[in-house]
Amino acid sequence: GQNIDQPTEMTATEGAIVQINCTYQTSGFNGLFWYQQHAGEAPTFLSYNVLDGLEEKGRFSSFLSRSKGYSYLLLKELQMKDSASYLCAVSYYGQNFVFGPGTRLSVLP
Amino acid sequence: DVKVTQSSRYLVKRTGEKVFLECVQDMDHENMFWYRQDPGLGLRLIYFSYDVKMKEKGDIPEGYSVSREKKERFSLILESASTNQTSMYLCASSLGANTGELFFGEGSRLTVL
Repeated sequence: GQNIDQPTEMTATEGAIVQINCTYQTSGFNGLFWYQQHAGEAPTFLSYNVLDGLEEKGRFSSFLSRSKGYSYLLLKELQMKDSASYLCAVSYYGQNFVFGPGTRLSVLP
Repeated sequence: DVKVTQSSRYLVKRTGEKVFLECVQDMDHENMFWYRQDPGLGLRLIYFSYDVKMKEKGDIPEGYSVSREKKERFSLILESASTNQTSMYLCASSLGANTGELFFGEGSRLTVL
């Protein structure tokens, strides 16, 4: 079966760095995705890891360790507009995407 | 720009009614998906389709059916709506096997009274 866990809520301060973790008990997937979802809006793609290691995209980075069943999304220089839910998802060769429950991040001034 | 369009942002239906949720993508994507999103449960896959007229059950297909007569269009059907189907429904598409991220529509918030 598939089991993906994320913290339910996190709070951080504007300008800070925050790490959102995603742990999973599944195998056979070819990639791990991170999405951002603002309240009342559709999820939008942030980052994608196929291989173990760090992928950096501006203020956002994502890390994957398949041996540890673990990924994280790192957000630097937090801005108020980063207040949103962050969803981790594993992809099974593009034909199925299984999502975690999401982490709601609140950025405080 | 990539676009996935869902026909209705908000719907209110009565128990027992038949409900159609339409989704159209303009990216020539092979794969299309229907998810529902509920607080605390995240996105759960209802059905997906990897080709015209092909469909696969997801994690929670009970009470739903789908139709994909054309590549660009994927419809979700609730044959007899029930109150526990009140939810946000999200359609998504992806390029094809082994490739690409999901592109989501804006969502359809369905309330069943």
